[in-house]
Amino acid sequence: AQSVSQHNHHVILSEAASLELGCNYSYGGTVNLFWYVQYPGQHLQLLLKYFSGDPLVKGIKGFEAEFIKSKFSFNLRKPSVQWSDTAEYFCAVRTNAGKSTFGDGTTLTVKP
Amino acid sequence: EAEVAQSPRYKITEKSQAVAFWCDPISGHATLYWYRQILGQGPELLVQFQDESVVDDSQLPKDRFSAERLKGVDSTLKIQPAELGDSAMYLCASSLTRGLGEKLFFGSGTQLSVL
Repeated sequence: AQSVSQHNHHVILSEAASLELGCNYSYGGTVNLFWYVQYPGQHLQLLLKYFSGDPLVKGIKGFEAEFIKSKFSFNLRKPSVQWSDTAEYFCAVRTNAGKSTFGDGTTLTVKP
Repeated sequence: EAEVAQSPRYKITEKSQAVAFWCDPISGHATLYWYRQILGQGPELLVQFQDESVVDDSQLPKDRFSAERLKGVDSTLKIQPAELGDSAMYLCASSLTRGLGEKLFFGSGTQLSVL
């Protein structure tokens, strides 16, 4: 069975600081990788995903993530965070069976 | 943008009572998922439907939980009897297909409190 591990439970940054959230997964087969975000008071929504090809993927609002197959990692990055990036971020792995498994999430608080 | 509809938004019940949650996925989405999210944890898959058929219910506590999607459109998740440990957010999601690259569209969830 697949599993996802997110290294940081809660991250606090000041505006303009750089962000990197760690994500590692465990699965022996083909996967697609996703980052979902939940802004305060809103539902979970897709931030970005890796399907194939270039391991560096770009998503909405200046976020990017790099898939490193040898490390089973899919870390999320943003060069300069804004107050509006305050949210909970979930890494997810999806298998050929169509099953999506989520990590426990990282709460990001950006101080203005 | 089309949304996944869930109701009720909040549900408070007493231990041993029955509760039911409803979900209406985005029109045309063949795959429907029910997830449970406990505070401080990520969503955990309870059951997955492809049209009206269950394709994964390995994590569904079948002694008290049941789910159906009779016409392959909307779905109901039921708990009977509810236990204190069932207090959580119940999320419904849908996707166009079961494909590897499909993203999930989530509803706003039902927050269940069992007293």
